[in-house]
Amino acid sequence: DQQVKQNSPSLSVQEGRISILNCDYTNSMFDYFLWYKKYPAEGPTFLISISSIKDKNEDGRFTVFLNKSAKHLSLHIVPSQPGDSAVYFCAASSTGGGNKLTFGTGTQLKVEL
Amino acid sequence: GAGVSQSPRYKVAKRGQDVALRCDPISGHVSLFWYQQALGQGPEFLTYFQNEAQLDKSGLPSDRFFAERPEGSVSTLKIQRTQQEDSAVYLCASSARAGGLSINEQFFGPGTRLTVL
Repeated sequence: DQQVKQNSPSLSVQEGRISILNCDYTNSMFDYFLWYKKYPAEGPTFLISISSIKDKNEDGRFTVFLNKSAKHLSLHIVPSQPGDSAVYFCAASSTGGGNKLTFGTGTQLKVEL
Repeated sequence: GAGVSQSPRYKVAKRGQDVALRCDPISGHVSLFWYQQALGQGPEFLTYFQNEAQLDKSGLPSDRFFAERPEGSVSTLKIQRTQQEDSAVYLCASSARAGGLSINEQFFGPGTRLTVL
């Protein structure tokens, strides 16, 4: 049972445009959500997070939106840059769950010149 | 070192062989996690340590998997009698504070790619 789902395995965007990566979850106990970025042969790198008490968090070019009623979150990257090309993982956690992360299957983002 | 390190980076084992994977977390980090990432999948939780105490091992797939962190710093994940389905990247992560008290960022190492022939 996949509790965190990323239904788009890949996304291609032109440089300078907006990239929107989506994530859905099923477990209502999740109250903290994170996005990680992963380059080949490296470990995931933390990008941005959001608590369930908020619906938006912004950090530079990255913004995460949370829709609790729909159990949906999205990551917006504006403007997209070629260095953003990587696999993006959505992850979720619950404060009572010891901080272990439940990950989605990832979305491969390619930013083209 | 500034980040989480793991060794070896690559390991090839024959089916039935025992392997040991090492994780050096960021100095002073209380929490340590192991994850398994199969090809084309996201990382999946294996086990969690708070200092030397293993507080959650619910993700370990079988009793062939064993993890320890005897002095609350370096951790070793041991897999006995390896099987082909154990082939994956094993990721270690550490975080500064104890789990359950507050959510905080996990810093990941580069992983160990295990291939079982």
